[in-house]
Amino acid sequence: NAGVTQTPKFQVLKTGQSMTLQCAQDMNHNSMYWYRQDPGMGLRLIYYSASEGTTDKGEVPNGYNVSRLNKREFSLRLESAAPSQTSVYFCASSKTSGQAYNEQFFGPGTRLTVL
Amino acid sequence: DAKTTQPTSMDCAEGRAANLPCNHSTISGNEYVYWYRQIHSQGPQYIIHGLKNNETNEMASLIITEDRKSSTLILPHATLRDTAVYYCIVRGLHGGATNKLIFGTGTLLAVQP
Repeated sequence: NAGVTQTPKFQVLKTGQSMTLQCAQDMNHNSMYWYRQDPGMGLRLIYYSASEGTTDKGEVPNGYNVSRLNKREFSLRLESAAPSQTSVYFCASSKTSGQAYNEQFFGPGTRLTVL
Repeated sequence: DAKTTQPTSMDCAEGRAANLPCNHSTISGNEYVYWYRQIHSQGPQYIIHGLKNNETNEMASLIITEDRKSSTLILPHATLRDTAVYYCIVRGLHGGATNKLIFGTGTLLAVQP
């Protein structure tokens, strides 16, 4: 049981390049999330998927797109990377959303640098 | 969701209890208090949550005041591996599908040998 896995672990992009961050969970969770964490800051929600086939914007969605490929996988795409998107990206999952008990399980993160 | 206030940093001696405070004076009746922690360079990890009763699990205890305006996370015997940023988050039920956790800047707990 690997929990939440993310690939790649590290990535360096040039401004304007595109890339997709991959996330998968093996806990049969319905809900998945993408957060970013800038240095010295807390996590901010980019997008989430309450269930397979649905996605919604979080606090900071601009410049990103997501795809809930199936129940296990939730990808985050940067179409045209900008230096302001340099951050650590965390994927998380939980059994359900909209419930008070919403323990989220986090992946190890992807460290992205945009030059 | 109610806003939380936590000290920026705290120190604790190894083997002693670490008591991390959190103020949430605007908490409403259906909002829960959650604690997560983030060890350096890792993803956050859930610790414990509660509504109004004190809670205990294998990691920690959560003490919520009677008026629910503040809470304390207690790590009974802190170890060096407990050095991390601890986030206090208040969240309630929502009618829709939003499951947003609002992470502030948390408290950096440094456990000293």
